[in-house]
Amino acid sequence: EVKLVESGGGLVQPGGSLKLSCAASGFAFSASAMHWVRQTSGTGLEWIARIRTRVNRYVTAYAASVEGRFTVSRDDSKNMVYLRMDSLRIEDTAVYYCIRQDFDVWGQGALVAVSS
Amino acid sequence: DIVMTQSPLSLPVTPGEPASIYCRSSQSLYSNGKNFLDWYLQKPGQSPQLLIYLGSNRASGVPDRFTGSGSGTDFTLRISRVEAEDVGVYYCMQAVQTPLTFGGGTRVEIK
Repeated sequence: EVKLVESGGGLVQPGGSLKLSCAASGFAFSASAMHWVRQTSGTGLEWIARIRTRVNRYVTAYAASVEGRFTVSRDDSKNMVYLRMDSLRIEDTAVYYCIRQDFDVWGQGALVAVSS
Repeated sequence: DIVMTQSPLSLPVTPGEPASIYCRSSQSLYSNGKNFLDWYLQKPGQSPQLLIYLGSNRASGVPDRFTGSGSGTDFTLRISRVEAEDVGVYYCMQAVQTPLTFGGGTRVEIK
């Protein structure tokens, strides 16, 4: 079964950090670019980051809203993709999804709440 | 950034009747012979699921009552006969360039 499972969400204070993990299974992970998308009740779905494959030199791309604060990475030996989030703001509160490159497989989402 | 505009915001539907959702982009999504426009459905309490990719291709397992059409900047998702399980929020997304961007969503509900 093709599956993505996020973990690492939780409550964090403004200015704090959090690292989300996403475990992939059931497909050729190393051959797939991976994306992170978040969803808030107020702003709908927002794409925030992508990391390409080793063949494509693990090139990353970010939304302007998170550029310089968030870092996407991957470990192909563990079939894992990560999202390191620093300098968190209240407006980063959202459910975060990891997604396979063709957007045909989504995780169940991880809730991140930024509040004092 | 490419702005995606969906309409209507809300769509009450009668089971068995057709329904259409529209998506317009601020720039052409046509590149290398393809339209980089996807449609997703988010059912209540679930993650979004891919319905249509590259404008008109049904994803695996998607019923043939769902049809995507359009090119360039104007796209349509049509449901030929709405069923109760089709309720939820529908989103379009452009994938022609980063940042990938989504429409604001269309909530489909049964009358």
